[in-house]
Amino acid sequence: DIQMTQSPSFLSASVGDRVTITCRATQTISTFLNWYQQKSGRAPKLLIYGASSLQSGVPSRFTGSGSGTEFTLIISSLQPEDFASYYCQQSYSSPYTFGQGTKLEIK
Amino acid sequence: EVQLVQSGAELKKPGESLKISCKGSGDNFITSWIVWVRQTPEKGLEWMGIIYPADSNIRYSPSFQGQVTISADRSINIAYLHWSSLKASDTAMYFCARRGNWRAFDSWGQGTLVTVSS
Repeated sequence: DIQMTQSPSFLSASVGDRVTITCRATQTISTFLNWYQQKSGRAPKLLIYGASSLQSGVPSRFTGSGSGTEFTLIISSLQPEDFASYYCQQSYSSPYTFGQGTKLEIK
Repeated sequence: EVQLVQSGAELKKPGESLKISCKGSGDNFITSWIVWVRQTPEKGLEWMGIIYPADSNIRYSPSFQGQVTISADRSINIAYLHWSSLKASDTAMYFCARRGNWRAFDSWGQGTLVTVSS
């Protein structure tokens, strides 16, 4: 199985900050990398697919990049509704594995 | 867009059987790949398996093969996740989702909490 590792696991930031979350795969996954946001008690929500494509309805302050084994999610200017957990997921090969998550908290 | 609605929370005893459901709206459900995902505090999000309701083509994650059964009834737009004998370790939140572009999961059910306790 392809293992996905996110960093950091926890992130404390303020409204207006720019934050970066990194995701690494144990083998190349081309650009089959997706990012999800999950708020407490809710289902995950797709933000970015194919490493850099913004899902319909997702604000443009979310940007994804990377290919191969290293990927990045950037939130350019944090808004109050962005404080949540974020997960990367590879869809290159089955089983489609997730990262362990990054919890973004208000500083 | 496919909308997914899951069945309600369940409290079961070890050894009991259980089938939870995921109902899709819209004609696209049958021709969409539907996945099941488990979430626990210990292991996070885990992909369990996937089904294509149009022909019931199913693939399981090796971690869940033999532990659960995925099925679908295309006539009523429902996918199922079934356990024949629950264990305490099956306690988790279970989500169904639709696989879309780049095999990303673009539409999710609200989740079904399964609690297995004696």
